Amino acid sequence: AQTVTQSQPEMSVQEAETVTLSCTYDTSESDYYLFWYKQPPSRQMILVIRQEAYKQQNATENRFSVNFQKAAKSFSLKISDSQLGDAAMYFCAYRSASSGNTPLVFGKGTRLSVIA
Amino acid sequence: NAGVTQTPKFQVLKTGQSMTLQCAQDMNHEYMSWYRQDPGMGLRLIHYSVGAGITDQGEVPNGYNVSRSTTEDFPLRLLSAAPSQTSVYFCASSSITTGGIGKLFFGSGTQLSVL
Repeated sequence: AQTVTQSQPEMSVQEAETVTLSCTYDTSESDYYLFWYKQPPSRQMILVIRQEAYKQQNATENRFSVNFQKAAKSFSLKISDSQLGDAAMYFCAYRSASSGNTPLVFGKGTRLSVIA
Repeated sequence: NAGVTQTPKFQVLKTGQSMTLQCAQDMNHEYMSWYRQDPGMGLRLIHYSVGAGITDQGEVPNGYNVSRSTTEDFPLRLLSAAPSQTSVYFCASSSITTGGIGKLFFGSGTQLSVL
């Protein structure tokens, strides 16, 4: 079974600075999808960014970008110009593309604090 | 636009009691799922469904039952609550396209305490 590892339970960043959250995954498949979800104190889960494994170009969404290293099975999230509203739990997730009905597997999360 | 609606938001049960967590979506999504979130454990999949009449077990199915009689609803039943089921529960849904399960839409969660 695939596993997703987030090795940093907690991180902090100064406002306006850049922070990188780590995620590694274990799979023997070549085609899959990777996701980062954000969970603010409101508890609502929000999709931040999605990457398709067959695309070599790293996905970006405004201040959020990923560093996708397929050979290393690494999928880190970079947040630029951090804002107070970025404080949240961040979850990395994996989904196999071998079957359209395969559910997402989540990591344990990284709690990000933003210091004013 | 309601999206995914979970009820109740909070619930306290005594050990051995039963209850049903409700989940409804109005987006005509084929895929629905239940996750539990515990501190330090992330989100773990309990059960999921890819359409009416079809359900399957996730990583932590013991102690929970589900059914999917309609596209819109996917209730989660606790038959005999145990303290180990104290958790925050999330329902999530998605369309299933040619690329598979798409973006997950989450409900706002149910905080359950079992005493």
